[in-house]
Amino acid sequence: AQSVTQLDSQVPVFEEAPVELRCNYSSSVSVYLFWYVQYPNQGLQLLLKYLSGSTLVKGINGFEAEFNKSQTSFHLRKPSVHISDTAEYFCAVRLDGGGFKTIFGAGTRLFVKA
Amino acid sequence: KAGVTQTPRYLIKTRGQQVTLSCSPISGHRSVSWYQQTPGQGLQFLFEYFSETQRNKGNFPGRFSGRQFSNSRSEMNVSTLELGDSALYLCASSLIGNREGEAFFGQGTRLTVV
Repeated sequence: AQSVTQLDSQVPVFEEAPVELRCNYSSSVSVYLFWYVQYPNQGLQLLLKYLSGSTLVKGINGFEAEFNKSQTSFHLRKPSVHISDTAEYFCAVRLDGGGFKTIFGAGTRLFVKA
Repeated sequence: KAGVTQTPRYLIKTRGQQVTLSCSPISGHRSVSWYQQTPGQGLQFLFEYFSETQRNKGNFPGRFSGRQFSNSRSEMNVSTLELGDSALYLCASSLIGNREGEAFFGQGTRLTVV
């Protein structure tokens, strides 16, 4: 069965420090990978996506992620975080042949401290 | 242009009742997906509609149903409500709902079952 594992439920970090949010997936078919952000009382917003091509993907708000097929990982990184990055982050996959059905990880709450 | 609109934003219902949630997608979008978000289970895919047809379905009981109208607006219905149905229900729209496409999420309807 396909699954998405976000290895950290909460990540506290100081402002201007770098951060990495980890995501691993398991699937027997090709996948498309996504990172979404959810601010309090809001819906989800797409940060970035990997479909094919270059394994390093750049997204909005200075975030980037690297697809590693051998390790089945898609970790999200930002070199310097701001207070406004405090939110919940979701890693997600869509399966080749699965249409628009999206499988989400449990989420990682990023808490940026001053 | 206007985003995805979900109504109502908040609902309180009693066990055993039924409820209907509404989602108006972005103008021109033909795919609408529904998700249930709970603290325990995270984000789970309910179903996806495209051009008035259900195209994908998650693993939810038959009490959860939906439909899509010719103007792409979608409704989700839950019958015989249980306490465990308390959740944030998110709707997402996409232009054609292909696997590479971006999903635009509404702010959600928070359902509380008492």
